[in-house]
Amino acid sequence: IAGITQAPTSQILAAGRRMTLRCTQDMRHNAMYWYRQDLGLGLRLIHYSNTAGTTGKGEVPDGYSVSRANTDDFPLTLASAVPSQTSVYFCASSDSGGVNEQFFGPGTRLTVL
Amino acid sequence: GQNIDQPTEMTATEGAIVQINCTYQTSGFNGLFWYQQHAGEAPTFLSYNVLDGLEEKGRFSSFLSRSKGYSYLLLKELQMKDSASYLCAVKDSNYQLIWGAGTKLIIKP
Repeated sequence: IAGITQAPTSQILAAGRRMTLRCTQDMRHNAMYWYRQDLGLGLRLIHYSNTAGTTGKGEVPDGYSVSRANTDDFPLTLASAVPSQTSVYFCASSDSGGVNEQFFGPGTRLTVL
Repeated sequence: GQNIDQPTEMTATEGAIVQINCTYQTSGFNGLFWYQQHAGEAPTFLSYNVLDGLEEKGRFSSFLSRSKGYSYLLLKELQMKDSASYLCAVKDSNYQLIWGAGTKLIIKP
């Protein structure tokens, strides 16, 4: 693993189904983030975690949940998917000190029908 | 509310110079970032400004004026590979990034 990986790359999901998007980083970064990116809108923060064992809500948390059991993994779960959750989802991580630039995974393209 | 404004789309010619502007209104300021995002790919970090002035990094430079809530990204000697979206983001008082919608830059030969 180099950097951040996300799985799956893309997924078509029926409305009402449960789905977990996976994110793993090998940079030992403390902070991790989940964003959604929709056409014409900026990246919007769903949930974040400043360190293992803690999570926080971002701008658009409704319908999503996260966990941070260890430093490397930060899964995002849609409990009951709805069509408005169709989007591209990016996971990111950053270190604690310095500039704290965020490093992004390749994204998951999710379509909810 | 918090707001980041940048032009939706710009067109420039290969070899030329282009300036992409970003204005912001946020609750607090802890730095401004520029990212590049090619179509279908993840954003990648370009530059960071926290103090007023110009930061130069090769063909790319970024400027910040905190009193005006304004930044620009300057790209010189444009190459076809510079065709991408450029995202402006501000770190607010909660140390979270607030993102602009991005500027799609089209480079013509």
